[in-house]
Amino acid sequence: DQQVKQNSPSLSVQEGRISILNCDYTNSMFDYFLWYKKYPAEGPTFLISISSIKDKNEDGRFTVFLNKSAKHLSLHIVPSQPGDSAVYFCAASGNNQGGKLIFGQGTELSVKP
Amino acid sequence: NAGVTQTPKFRILKIGQSMTLQCTQDMNHNYMYWYRQDPGMGLKLIYYSVGAGITDKGEVPNGYNVSRSTTEDFPLRLELAAPSQTSVYFCASSSTAYSYEQYFGPGTRLTVT
Repeated sequence: DQQVKQNSPSLSVQEGRISILNCDYTNSMFDYFLWYKKYPAEGPTFLISISSIKDKNEDGRFTVFLNKSAKHLSLHIVPSQPGDSAVYFCAASGNNQGGKLIFGQGTELSVKP
Repeated sequence: NAGVTQTPKFRILKIGQSMTLQCTQDMNHNYMYWYRQDPGMGLKLIYYSVGAGITDKGEVPNGYNVSRSTTEDFPLRLELAAPSQTSVYFCASSSTAYSYEQYFGPGTRLTVT
């Protein structure tokens, strides 16, 4: 039972354009969502998060949108840079999860110069 | 500030051998987690701990054991290694259950042959 799904294993974008990474979830009890970025041979690092009381959170070039009715969130990167090339994981949690995060499968983003 | 450190970085085990993956954090975090990441998959929670002396199973605990005698250390024990345990293992920590943001170590790549 995959509660958090990232249906696109990979995405290729030209430098300077927008990257849009998508994530769907099934558990309506989730109320906090995070995006992590992972470079090869390193651990994931926290990128940006959003609480279910919001529908948008912005941090520099990164914006996360949450559509609760569709149980869908997306990460927008504008403008994309070659250094953004990494695997991006969506994760979800809630008060009933005891701090545990449920991760999606990841999307590998490649930003080409 | 070292954050979360893991040793070893790489290890090859023969079937039936045992080993301990070490994890140490210097952020005084109460919550610690062990994940495994298989190719093309997200991170699956193996075990977690909410404080010294308290541990609990995650999604995929079979074949593993943990202990938490101090706030800083959270070792993961593999008994009777099997090829299915070939994976990359990540340790993470967070300050509370409701901070959600977890800090990850660099990972241990384990191969069982």
